[in-house]
Amino acid sequence: DQQVKQNSPSLSVQEGRISILNCDYTNSMFDYFLWYKKYPAEGPTFLISISSIKDKNEDGRFTVFLNKSAKHLSLHIVPSQPGDSAVYFCAASDSGGATNKLIFGTGTLLAVQP
Amino acid sequence: NAGVTQTPKFQVLKTGQSMTLQCAQDMNHEYMSWYRQDPGMGLRLIHYSVGAGITDQGEVPNGYNVSRSTTEDFPLRLLSAAPSQTSVYFCASSPQGDYGYTFGSGTRLTVV
Repeated sequence: DQQVKQNSPSLSVQEGRISILNCDYTNSMFDYFLWYKKYPAEGPTFLISISSIKDKNEDGRFTVFLNKSAKHLSLHIVPSQPGDSAVYFCAASDSGGATNKLIFGTGTLLAVQP
Repeated sequence: NAGVTQTPKFQVLKTGQSMTLQCAQDMNHEYMSWYRQDPGMGLRLIHYSVGAGITDQGEVPNGYNVSRSTTEDFPLRLLSAAPSQTSVYFCASSPQGDYGYTFGSGTRLTVV
C-alpha cells in the first residue's frame, strides 16, 4: 500500500520554463513533507520541505505547495535549468519529529531540455 | 568530514549467502536508516535507529537485520540472500528532529 504516490514517472520541460512535479498521499497523519533530488550513481540530497501548518514554502527557484484537503503537494521549479535534470522524490513523515522516519514516493524523472 | 560512507559500492552474491553492508557517519547524527531503491518502487525503509542501542523495523524488514552499537555505525546484515534482494541500498543519517537526511552514495547488490 503506497502511502506516498508520484503518478508521473517522468516529465520533460524546456529550459527556462516551469517544472511542476506532483505528489499525492493517503495518510492524513502526515505532518511534514520533503522533496529530495537524486542524480544517477549518487545518494538523494535534500531539496526543500514544508510543515503541515503551512501551504507554501519557497527557496530560490524552488517552491513547494501543500493542499491538505486534497492530500496533494507539488514542487515548482522556475526557471528550469538543465542541471535540474534528476529524479525527484517526495517524502512524508507522521512521527512529529520523534523518529525522523520518512516514507518516500516512487520518484519522477525530470529532463530539462536545453 | 566524510559524511555518510557506505561499503562496498558493488557486490554480487549467490543465493543463500550472507553478508553485511557497512554504513558509517562522522557527523554525530542520532538518527540512521537503511532504504532500498527498486525500479517503480521508489525508496523503501528497511530499518532505522534513533540512537545507539535502539533499532526498529521499517516498511520492508524481512530478510534483514541491523544493530547500532555505536553512534557512528549502522550495518545492515542479509541473513540468507535471495534474488528479490537485488537492489540499490542507501544508508542515511540526520540529527534527531531533522528530516534533512544525508545519504550515502549507495551499494548496488545483485543476488544470483
